[in-house]
Amino acid sequence: DAGVIQSPRHEVTEMGQEVTLRCKPISGHNSLFWYRQTMMRGLELLIYFNNNVPIDDSGMPEDRFSAKMPNASFSTLKIQPSEPRDSAVYFCASSLSGSYGYTFGSGTRLTVV
Amino acid sequence: DAKTTQPTSMDCAEGRAANLPCNHSTISGNEYVYWYRQIHSQGPQYIIHGLKNNETNEMASLIITEDRKSSTLILPHATLRDTAVYYCIVRVAPQGGKLIFGQGTELSVKP
Repeated sequence: DAGVIQSPRHEVTEMGQEVTLRCKPISGHNSLFWYRQTMMRGLELLIYFNNNVPIDDSGMPEDRFSAKMPNASFSTLKIQPSEPRDSAVYFCASSLSGSYGYTFGSGTRLTVV
Repeated sequence: DAKTTQPTSMDCAEGRAANLPCNHSTISGNEYVYWYRQIHSQGPQYIIHGLKNNETNEMASLIITEDRKSSTLILPHATLRDTAVYYCIVRVAPQGGKLIFGQGTELSVKP
C-alpha cells in the first residue's frame, strides 16, 4: 500500500495564478480530508468528504478555495487566484469508516510569491 | 468536542520513558481521547486512542484517569526518532468525522 499520495510535493507560484493540489487516498478509504498548516495557525481542517460528497467545508477560508472529489480515488484542492498568505503546507488524509486512524499524506508545500 | 490543554514543549533523555500529559476536564462520557504525532515535515501519524480504559499498542501506552479529566501518553523507551509534536485530541465519534488539532506538545528527545 503506497499510502495517501499527494502531488506536487512543492509548488512555487506567482500571486494571482491558479494552483491545483492533488490527492490520491488509500484504496478502499471512503473519507478524505484536506488540511492546511502554517506556523501561525497550526493544522486547520479545510474540508472533508465522505463517499465523495463534501460533508463540511466550513474551514475553507474564502471563495478562492474550492475542492472536488470526482471519484473515490482522486481529489483536488484549487486556489484561484492565489495570494501570498496562502503559502502553507497542505495535507490530505483519508480514513475508512469503522477504523480509528486517519492516514495522512506527505503534504504539498505551497509558496506564493 | 472537548478542549484539551497540553504543555507547549518537553524534553526527554534517550532511552527513558516520555510521559506526555493532556488535560481534558470538560470531556463528555461519549468522547474518546486520541493521540497523533507529527515528525518534522511529515504528515501527522495516528498513535493510539481510548475511551476510559488504559490502552497499549506497539507504539505507546495511554493512561486515562478514572474521572477521565486527564490522560498521559507514555513512550516507554524514547528514541531520537520520537522527537515530534504530539497532539491530544478529544472527539465524540470513535471513527469517521472530522479531526481537529490543537497546538500539541513539542517533544525533544536528547542523547
